[in-house]
Amino acid sequence: QVQLQESGPGLVKPSQTLSLTCTVSGGSISSGGYYWSWIRQHPGKGLEWIGYIYYSGSTYYNPSLKSRVTISVDTSKNQFSLKLSSVTAADTAVYYCARGQLVTGEPIDYWGQGTLVTVSS
Amino acid sequence: DIQMTQSPSSLSASVGDRVTITCRASQSISSYLNWYQQKPGKAPKLLIYAASSLQSGVPSRFSGSGSGTDFTLTISSLQPEDFATYYCQQSYSTLLFGPGTKVDIK
Repeated sequence: QVQLQESGPGLVKPSQTLSLTCTVSGGSISSGGYYWSWIRQHPGKGLEWIGYIYYSGSTYYNPSLKSRVTISVDTSKNQFSLKLSSVTAADTAVYYCARGQLVTGEPIDYWGQGTLVTVSS
Repeated sequence: DIQMTQSPSSLSASVGDRVTITCRASQSISSYLNWYQQKPGKAPKLLIYAASSLQSGVPSRFSGSGSGTDFTLTISSLQPEDFATYYCQQSYSTLLFGPGTKVDIK
């Protein structure tokens, strides 16, 4: 059973960089057939895709966040990470890491539990 | 850019009701449409992928249909555990979620 777990600071100061890591267990992040994604949800709002990375290292980002986002993968630790720079209060949200399958529909089949990140001084 | 809409944004229903939620894409996305259920404080759960394929372990009262721009999620007989928010998501061009449909108790 694949499990994903987000980790990182729950409080980030404005203008700083938000950094989160997702640790994957029960499967190898370097095996083909999947993409690894970050998604966030503002309090009481809908789901917003941030970006994803393939096992090959190719990345795709939401155009609205692209200038501030970096997603990377560390296959030796079976982890992938999110960095979001120059944060403001508008970046306060629950951040989810998730796995997508490269099959018809490319659905997201496994999600982390989510971690709340608050941007405040 | 592809835009996704869902209707209704919310609905009230009773246990046993048949519920239908519609999702529309601003351009054709073939069958690259997935449906998720989210309960408060929990991560979303995949229900339907590729427009009409039932995810393993999901009850058969959930079904999906459609292709191109218009899609439907149907719950044939609403159960107490189905009160939640439902999101469609296209993966034809990167990823984008619909705004969600909240299903609550009448």
